[in-house]
Amino acid sequence: LAKTTQPISMDSYEGQEVNITCSHNNIATNDYITWYQQFPSQGPRFIIQGYKTKVTNEVASLFIPADRKSSTLSLPRVSLSDTAVYYCLVGITMNYGGSQGNLIFGKGTKLSVKP
Amino acid sequence: DAGVIQSPRHEVTEMGQEVTLRCKPISGHDYLFWYRQTMMRGLELLIYFNNNVPIDDSGMPEDRFSAKMPNASFSTLKIQPSEPRDSAVYFCASSFRDRGRGTEAFFGQGTRLTVV
Repeated sequence: LAKTTQPISMDSYEGQEVNITCSHNNIATNDYITWYQQFPSQGPRFIIQGYKTKVTNEVASLFIPADRKSSTLSLPRVSLSDTAVYYCLVGITMNYGGSQGNLIFGKGTKLSVKP
Repeated sequence: DAGVIQSPRHEVTEMGQEVTLRCKPISGHDYLFWYRQTMMRGLELLIYFNNNVPIDDSGMPEDRFSAKMPNASFSTLKIQPSEPRDSAVYFCASSFRDRGRGTEAFFGQGTRLTVV
């Protein structure tokens, strides 16, 4: 399973765009990149997922360069409610049998949004 | 669907007692995961099932921990005997295998276990 490296913490102010970068140098061909968000006292929540280039949904954008050795989660115009821990996961998809479906979380990035 | 449902939400027990945590996954999901979260160790994957069959239990810390999934709609995580170092939040998550996509797992609200 590809190991990920992301900053331990980040600070931002309301209304700013926040970019959190994750490094995954030994990502494999079949690996997807997935980001989760976790609020205190809650379970992680899926935010966005991608394989290459750019993916955008109503919550965030995910930028993946051609070599796929890193990815950047972009949160536009953050608010206080975006204060949470953000996890980057890189792993084998579940396409190839039950033995390859594990989800391993790292330490995540603790984002603090200030007024 | 109500999402992944875990019970109880909070459990306080004495050292040496048996503890059983319960999880009802989202209907139609064929993967189920059990995690443990502490400040020191973060989110640890304990075990996961595919179609009710345990696939990887390498994260289970000791023989005191056991997990079962008797059917597609129910799973338990049991600790016997419990110890203070087992105090943590335990999460259950489920997912559906979608060809051509990566993993999107849905988590329950967790069970906060305190062993005194």
